[in-house]
Amino acid sequence: SAVISQKPSRDICQRGTSLTIQCQVDSQVTMMFWYRQQPGQSLTLIATANQGSEATYESGFVIDKFPISRPNLTFSTLTVSNMSPEDSSIYLCSVASGDYEQYFGPGTRLTVT
Amino acid sequence: KQEVTQIPAALSVPEGENLVLNCSFTDSAIYNLQWFRQDPGKGLTSLLLIQSSQREQTSGRLNASLDKSSGRSTLYIAASQPGDSATYLCAVLNSGNTPLVFGKGTRLSVIA
Repeated sequence: SAVISQKPSRDICQRGTSLTIQCQVDSQVTMMFWYRQQPGQSLTLIATANQGSEATYESGFVIDKFPISRPNLTFSTLTVSNMSPEDSSIYLCSVASGDYEQYFGPGTRLTVT
Repeated sequence: KQEVTQIPAALSVPEGENLVLNCSFTDSAIYNLQWFRQDPGKGLTSLLLIQSSQREQTSGRLNASLDKSSGRSTLYIAASQPGDSATYLCAVLNSGNTPLVFGKGTRLSVIA
């Protein structure tokens, strides 16, 4: 299994600002994933972050709004840019093990006012 | 396109009862299926992973079954406890290069 930490655990931000969320894993992993969970909804994949290459974004998500960095095999960041109240969600990072079992971080609860 | 459905959306049971949560998926060509638990406002905890070649997995009071041909999985919780109260999510992986597809979850309340 993998142990994943995220910072911050929660934040309240003003509209128009940006927030960078950090994800740290206790072991080296090839793929890291970023998900969004809007209030009362299930999880939606934002993008897959591979070390040494550009992130792959899912339909409806763009790099200008959600830039991602992946500087090494244990760390990634997701930035939520030019925030609006609709961006209020829980943001989760996850990693996959060798047999593709996924493990999730504790999440970052974002409220945009 | 894979779609995952979970029934019921919410369930309330008295403590000690055995219960079954259902998950169905439209594309039976899956690589694996995973059950998660999520407490309010928190991340996901992996409960059980079933590979496509397996029929069931057990962990403590939890048992998950998989019938790939019919596109169904069940999560059986024995002797439920108030601490089991949470949302349970089913997620399907079609291949190593595709994302997990999640159901909307079943919100379980176990009443003491």
